[in-house]
Amino acid sequence: DAKTTQPPSMDCAEGRAANLPCNHSTISGNEYVYWYRQIHSQGPQYIIHGLKNNETNEMASLIITEDRKSSTLILPHATLRDTAVYYCIVSGEGSNYQLIWGAGTKLIIKP
Amino acid sequence: DTEVTQTPKHLVMGMTNKKSLKCEQHMGHRAMYWYKQKAKKPPELMFVYSYEKLSINESVPSRFSPECPNSSLLNLHLHALQPEDSALYLCASSRDGTGGYEQYFGPGTRLTVT
Repeated sequence: DAKTTQPPSMDCAEGRAANLPCNHSTISGNEYVYWYRQIHSQGPQYIIHGLKNNETNEMASLIITEDRKSSTLILPHATLRDTAVYYCIVSGEGSNYQLIWGAGTKLIIKP
Repeated sequence: DTEVTQTPKHLVMGMTNKKSLKCEQHMGHRAMYWYKQKAKKPPELMFVYSYEKLSINESVPSRFSPECPNSSLLNLHLHALQPEDSALYLCASSRDGTGGYEQYFGPGTRLTVT
């Protein structure tokens, strides 16, 4: 079973920051937090991942709380092309480093 | 190049047919994956190959038969499928199967079993 909890859907205005929350209260010390997204009818796309520290790349920022029980994915300036299902996944040695997918958050960017 | 390619894009097959799905990557990755995704559901892991050896089989029926001819190619052979096997079949690869490496996905093959 997936070890994460995400809201089923969220809206965000175009040009604003989209903040997607994820709870992973049972995460263990060697497990990573991954974020992927899937635009309709396409293959999933890797966004970012982290272990303890906050991470930033050209797509997004990942903020992980100090106790690592939750995280937030931030898309700084959302565009209509960011409309997708966003998956937060916890993975590590306990799951053979495999991705166990939950239901994700359907993010809709509105003009 | 971070591309994973899959062929064909679409496949319609009857329950008595034999067909194969193909996946290719040229990123030097040593782990490759097959996932199945039903409509409006998240992907479900089917198989993992690590260094060309099958390392994980998630209790997939034998009518699905994976093959990894070399480190760049992954096939999924299909035989005697059922209509409920209709789904999007996704291939992915990663640097290897451990240590927190991200997976790169292909666009998928949309399979319809009639």
